[in-house]
Amino acid sequence: QVQLQESGPGLVKPSETLSLLCSVSGDFLYTDYWTWIRRPPGKGLEWIGYVHDSGSTKYNPSLKSRVTMSVDKSKSQFSLNLRSVIAADTAIYYCARVTEVGILNSYYYYVDVWGKGTSVTVSS
Amino acid sequence: SFVLTQPPSVAVAPGETARITCEGDNLGTAVLNWYQQRPGRAPRVVIYFDRDRPSGIPERFSGSTSANTGTLTINRVEAGDEADYYCQVWDDSSDELVFGGGTKLTVL
Repeated sequence: QVQLQESGPGLVKPSETLSLLCSVSGDFLYTDYWTWIRRPPGKGLEWIGYVHDSGSTKYNPSLKSRVTMSVDKSKSQFSLNLRSVIAADTAIYYCARVTEVGILNSYYYYVDVWGKGTSVTVSS
Repeated sequence: SFVLTQPPSVAVAPGETARITCEGDNLGTAVLNWYQQRPGRAPRVVIYFDRDRPSGIPERFSGSTSANTGTLTINRVEAGDEADYYCQVWDDSSDELVFGGGTKLTVL
């Protein structure tokens, strides 16, 4: 059974880069999409982006200019870099897995595994 | 792209039925997933692919869709069901995940 654990600094200064790692334990072979999702205080869930097992990426258009994600299968890790952070980037950040299921000629997706989340505050 | 609209809050008494809706144009062209997030906890899926329930999720939880509305139904609501609930789709046109704004379920 796959388990995910986020790691990274809890405090980042404005204009700096937020870097988070997600360590994957368990079966890393049958992966689909490794994703980052955040929840700012008092707000709902916001999808940040994902990196596919192949290395391809997709980002939320609202964050695309500041986000980079990558995967290192040799270390069973994937990462998030968010540049030029501002106070509005303060949130709990979750790493998660999106599973792809093929049914007949279509594919369907849902987030089936979540990390516990890590709190990040942007402040000087 | 999808925009998913949920009511900000729903309140029910213990033992009653809670219904949380998720509206979106063209929702019928996508499959809907539902997540529960209890206070201080990570989200977890309670319904996926419109109506499938993961192992460990009580049968009291069910999902349905009709035209542009998806509904999460929780029968015989318990105090432990108090949480934020989010609907979510995968937008095939852009290969992006989209979440609804979330609904806070209060058990009176």
